[in-house]
Amino acid sequence: DAKTTQPNSMESNEEEPVHLPCNHSTISGTDYIHWYRQLPSQGPEYVIHGLTSNVNNRMASLAIAEDRKSSTLILHRATLRDAAVYYCILSSGGGADGLTFGKGTHLIIQP
Amino acid sequence: GAVVSQHPSRVICKSGTSVKIECRSLDFQATTMFWYRQFPKQSLMLMATSNEGSKATYEQGVEKDKFLINHASLTLSTLTVTSAHPEDSSFYICSARDAGRGAETQYFGPGTRLLVL
Repeated sequence: DAKTTQPNSMESNEEEPVHLPCNHSTISGTDYIHWYRQLPSQGPEYVIHGLTSNVNNRMASLAIAEDRKSSTLILHRATLRDAAVYYCILSSGGGADGLTFGKGTHLIIQP
Repeated sequence: GAVVSQHPSRVICKSGTSVKIECRSLDFQATTMFWYRQFPKQSLMLMATSNEGSKATYEQGVEKDKFLINHASLTLSTLTVTSAHPEDSSFYICSARDAGRGAETQYFGPGTRLLVL
């Protein structure tokens, strides 16, 4: 799987939007961009994924650069429950392979 | 939907004993499940890929005779840590791929905390 680069940590205030960046300059044409998050002592939780177009769901939005070399996870209105480690992961289509987790971004939400 | 469960949630065992961890997809069928482990302050690392009805595929450095995987049905995979030692203490997490929702998405279980004394 291609490598991704994320900031080690980010801090935001409650009820404000959060933009979590991810660089993936070596992404291939068949790689999907996935975002998962992990709360302490829990398994990762699926957040969103996309291929080329921007995506929206009830949890977040995913903005994908036109050249696909970067993407941004957007939490529109952060709550204290959004404090977690967020992982940006590339995975080739088909889903036959396990995921390669990097260190992710530790998101801290201030009340 | 897309719920994955694990049992037990935590287990403490003596060195030299074997421990079995179950991973179940509750509302979908999973032809492929994955096993990860996570040491404190580290990220998840893939251990093996479990395929229903066939042998598991192990990542480099993971001993297949120590970590036995059985995927006997489309909703259940088990990981047995044989002759556990203190260095096997870790957080074990499974995931399952729901082909019906889009093959590229994996759903994770809540994890099993193993402590070997």
